[in-house]
Amino acid sequence: DGGITQSPKYLFRKEGQNVTLSCEQNLNHDAMYWYRQDPGQGLRLIYYSQIVNDFQKGDIAEGYSVSREKKESFPLTVTSAQKNPTAFYLCASSILPGANTGELFFGEGSRLTVL
Amino acid sequence: GQQVMQIPQYQHVQEGEDFTTYCNSSTTLSNIQWYKQRPGGHPVFLIQLVKSGEVKKQKRLTFQFGEAKKNSSLHITATQTTDVGTYFCAALYNTNAGKSTFGDGTTLTVKP
Repeated sequence: DGGITQSPKYLFRKEGQNVTLSCEQNLNHDAMYWYRQDPGQGLRLIYYSQIVNDFQKGDIAEGYSVSREKKESFPLTVTSAQKNPTAFYLCASSILPGANTGELFFGEGSRLTVL
Repeated sequence: GQQVMQIPQYQHVQEGEDFTTYCNSSTTLSNIQWYKQRPGGHPVFLIQLVKSGEVKKQKRLTFQFGEAKKNSSLHITATQTTDVGTYFCAALYNTNAGKSTFGDGTTLTVKP
């Protein structure tokens, strides 16, 4: 089945450790996105990429890093510099970034808890 | 940055009652999308509105885009328990921007 796979689904880490969340898609989409969701809040954009080897900061990029070496993959690293990393992280992709056909397809999310 | 305001934050209804959530922007939008997130799940695309004054229907759901392309609404007629979840609007301000801005969502609970 085509779709977006995020892993791990749940992750516990100690404060001060870096953590990498995986996001893989087999939809042949050009654009990929990382969002953060806190309880009772909307989705805030961390980073996005419209093409391989290129990415842009979103609204809350501080303390995060990404790479886009392959079209299918867009991993997110939550660094120790992120002050409040405990959250639900959602990866998404779309065919044409921002265009009229830019429906977002979401993965099932990764829930990170920092102890 | 640009923001889209979504109201209400929460809505509790009796099964069979109607429900409406609104999104408002101070600047003109290129398009607006609506998503539904079930409790414990991930957002799922419902619809996209592009044209001024556009109205689209999906069974009991009616989506509207304002004439000035600054506001949008989602209306559910005769809610059912399967409608529970959080409804988000996602606003695109510029087709070249490559990213949408999400509202904070409206969480709907339905009492049977």
